[in-house]
Amino acid sequence: DIVMTQSPDSLAVSLGERATINCKSSQSVLYSSDNNNYLAWYQQKPGQPPRLLIYWASTRESGVPDRFSGSGSGTDFTLTVSSLQAEDVAVYFCQQYYSVPYTFGQGTKLEIK
Amino acid sequence: QVQLVESGGGVVQPGRSLRLSCAASRFSFSTYAMHWVRQAPGKGLEWVAVISYDGSDKYYADSVKGRFTISRDNSKNTLSLQMNSLRAEDTAIYYCARGYLSGNSWTDYWGQGTLVTVSS
Repeated sequence: DIVMTQSPDSLAVSLGERATINCKSSQSVLYSSDNNNYLAWYQQKPGQPPRLLIYWASTRESGVPDRFSGSGSGTDFTLTVSSLQAEDVAVYFCQQYYSVPYTFGQGTKLEIK
Repeated sequence: QVQLVESGGGVVQPGRSLRLSCAASRFSFSTYAMHWVRQAPGKGLEWVAVISYDGSDKYYADSVKGRFTISRDNSKNTLSLQMNSLRAEDTAIYYCARGYLSGNSWTDYWGQGTLVTVSS
């Protein structure tokens, strides 16, 4: 199974500042035949189901604010919130869909400093 | 707007069975793969199972393999999860989610979840 490890476990950032969350996979999730990274990011607010933010490691889902961006390739990925807003307080998860089981990272809790 | 509504959760004793359902609407259910993902109280997300659009392919997490069965009824737009030999560690909110692509894919819509508590 591919193990997904996020860092840090929690992060406090001031409003308007940049937040960066990392995700590392135990093996590459870059599929050579299509040159896509099989990596998604989700946001989960308390009492709500997860919401898709990013897929193919860097493609923003429709309706997601452009302050959210994804980057990385192979085994190392980053979710960046360029200017933190109060409504971005949540737990963020990465997930690989390269191979079953489609494993998630343990989550990163993002808070306001 | 895509709608996914889970049902069937509740309190069940260890070793017993429970069947979850997910009613899908406002999209062409029969053309999408569907997933179950669970979340233990206060914990992270755990992918449980996926079924292909036509039900021909099914995959499971090792933690549930041999105990859980995913199925679908495309005539009724319904996804199911039959859970047997339940254990305390199966206690979680169970979400159904739509797979965007028919193959390896992210999930783009999620239901609100149904809580399963395994306790004597």
